[in-house]
Amino acid sequence: GNSVTQMEGPVTLSEEAFLTINCTYTATGYPSLFWYVQYPGEGLQLLLKATKADDKGSNKGFEATYRKETTSFHLEKGSVQVSDSAVYFCALNSNYQLIWGAGTKLIIKP
Amino acid sequence: DGGITQSPKYLFRKEGQNVTLSCEQNLNHDAMYWYRQDPGQGLRLIYYSQIVNDFQKGDIAEGYSVSREKKESFPLTVTSAQKNPTAFYLCASGTSGRRSYNEQFFGPGTRLTVL
Repeated sequence: GNSVTQMEGPVTLSEEAFLTINCTYTATGYPSLFWYVQYPGEGLQLLLKATKADDKGSNKGFEATYRKETTSFHLEKGSVQVSDSAVYFCALNSNYQLIWGAGTKLIIKP
Repeated sequence: DGGITQSPKYLFRKEGQNVTLSCEQNLNHDAMYWYRQDPGQGLRLIYYSQIVNDFQKGDIAEGYSVSREKKESFPLTVTSAQKNPTAFYLCASGTSGRRSYNEQFFGPGTRLTVL
């Protein structure tokens, strides 16, 4: 069946470092792909999305490119801030639902 | 403002009691979802509804019940049959259908603690 695999956390970085959070997926067809962010004690917010191969989603300095050939949708940011500390979830749509990765906790130290 | 509201934010109940969590949306979305999140864990789907008066079980429906009498509302009841109900509960809504991206929008969550 369809599934999403994310790199395990926590990921700890210093402020202004480059961020990559890996996400790979298994799916039939051409699902849409999403990154959501969850700040402590809050619900999830959509960070970015891509709906077809080679699309690049971007928002708030974060980017992810839909790579069909490697079935990946890695999240990147060139220079992280302390305020980026949160849990990040990768997801794909399948049969009218979203299939979720386990989440990756990101900790940014000043 | 359009959005999803969940109430209350914190909820305490005694063991053996049923409790209902509220979820309301004014985004005119057909689909609504309930998820459970345990500390340090991902999301697990409890129930979902793609249209009024219809809903389906998710991966962990045992001990929970829902209703969908109105498009805007999707309340979740945690029954006494749920063995370990202490968790963070998230409600979401979204578009649905074959041409939909199934993007979901989330409420702020309800933290339920069983005493």
